[in-house]
Amino acid sequence: DAKTTQPPSMDCAEGRAANLPCNHSTISGNEYVYWYRQIHSQGPQYIIHGLKNNETNEMASLIITEDRKSSTLILPHATLRDTAVYYCIVKETSGSRLTFGEGTQLTVNP
Amino acid sequence: GAVVSQHPSRVICKSGTSVKIECRSLDFQATTMFWYRQFPKKSLMLMATSNEGSKATYEQGVEKDKFLINHASLTLSTLTVTSAHPEDSSFYICSARDWGGRGGETQYFGPGTRLLVL
Repeated sequence: DAKTTQPPSMDCAEGRAANLPCNHSTISGNEYVYWYRQIHSQGPQYIIHGLKNNETNEMASLIITEDRKSSTLILPHATLRDTAVYYCIVKETSGSRLTFGEGTQLTVNP
Repeated sequence: GAVVSQHPSRVICKSGTSVKIECRSLDFQATTMFWYRQFPKKSLMLMATSNEGSKATYEQGVEKDKFLINHASLTLSTLTVTSAHPEDSSFYICSARDWGGRGGETQYFGPGTRLLVL
């Protein structure tokens, strides 16, 4: 599976949009981009995933560049409860494992 | 999203005893479940892949005789830490693979089990 690069930490003001970047320049054509988050002392929570089109659900939006070498997770109105480590993972959706990197620690400030 | 539960949420045991952790997919069937371990301030490390009705596949460096995995039904996998030692103290998390959604598979995680071995 392709490797991802994320900033180690980011801050965001409560109520503002949080934009979390992820680079995956070696992504292959059949690999999806998955986003999970882990709030302290809890199991990871699935957020969203996509192949090449932009995706939106009730939690977030996923913007994937046309060349698929990077993506951005957008939390449109961040709240204090969104403070967590966010993981961007690239993998095939055909049964391969999820490999967690270090992720981005997002801190939402009041 | 789909729900995965774990039991117990935390356990304290004496060194040398065995501890069983259950992982259940509550609203979907999972032929494949995964077990992870996470040490403080570290990322999740995959320990093993559990397949219903067959033997688990362990990652390199994980002792299969120490971490016994049983996946006897499509909604339940168990991890037993045998002869636990203080160095086995960790946060154990399971996930279950769901093929039911759009765009292929999604893995959903349990809330984790914190094990403390005294």
